[in-house]
Amino acid sequence: ELKVEQNPLFLSMQEGKNYTIYCNYSTTSDRLYWYRQDPGKSLESLFVLLSNGAVKQEGRLMASLDTKARLSTLHITAAVHDLSATYFCAVEIDMRFGAGTRLTVKP
Amino acid sequence: GAVVSQHPSRVICKSGTSVKIECRSLDFQATTMFWYRQFPKQSLMLMATSNEGSKATYEQGVEKDKFLINHASLTLSTLTVTSAHPEDSSFYICSARDWIEGTQYFGPGTRLLVL
Repeated sequence: ELKVEQNPLFLSMQEGKNYTIYCNYSTTSDRLYWYRQDPGKSLESLFVLLSNGAVKQEGRLMASLDTKARLSTLHITAAVHDLSATYFCAVEIDMRFGAGTRLTVKP
Repeated sequence: GAVVSQHPSRVICKSGTSVKIECRSLDFQATTMFWYRQFPKQSLMLMATSNEGSKATYEQGVEKDKFLINHASLTLSTLTVTSAHPEDSSFYICSARDWIEGTQYFGPGTRLLVL
């Protein structure tokens, strides 16, 4: 059974600092998704990573995929309060989700 | 851009009644749709995969007779929660896969409260 593991599950960041969220999965997959969820809302698509070595950046967020290591990372640069949310990764096969990383950015 | 709608967005029902939730892909065709359930402060749990014109594939532990899924067209899937109980209260989210792009789009979710 496919397992998707995210860490950390909780992340309290200071504004202006950098940090990385990790997403490991147990079965070969060539496509990985990152989503953002605000409280009470559905999911907002952030990135779709389609192949090994893929790197995508949008604003202060950058995502990468290493299919050989079965690892994706979501890097946050110079965090700002607006980034406070829960972030999920999901693997293409069955679209299974990680547990989510609840990110809080403090001034 | 591609949009997935869900209806209703919120529903309150009495225990023992049935509730139908619709998921529509508005400007693309979706051969596959997914239904998720999310409890507060938890991740999304995949309930079933719905393929147009065929029976849904349910995840282990999800009662197919309780959660009826119908994917009658390339733009519509429905989830019916039959004989709802308070423990069925949750946030139900559908997603649809654009069969041409292969991209997954999520609906806004339906919040169900069973009294």
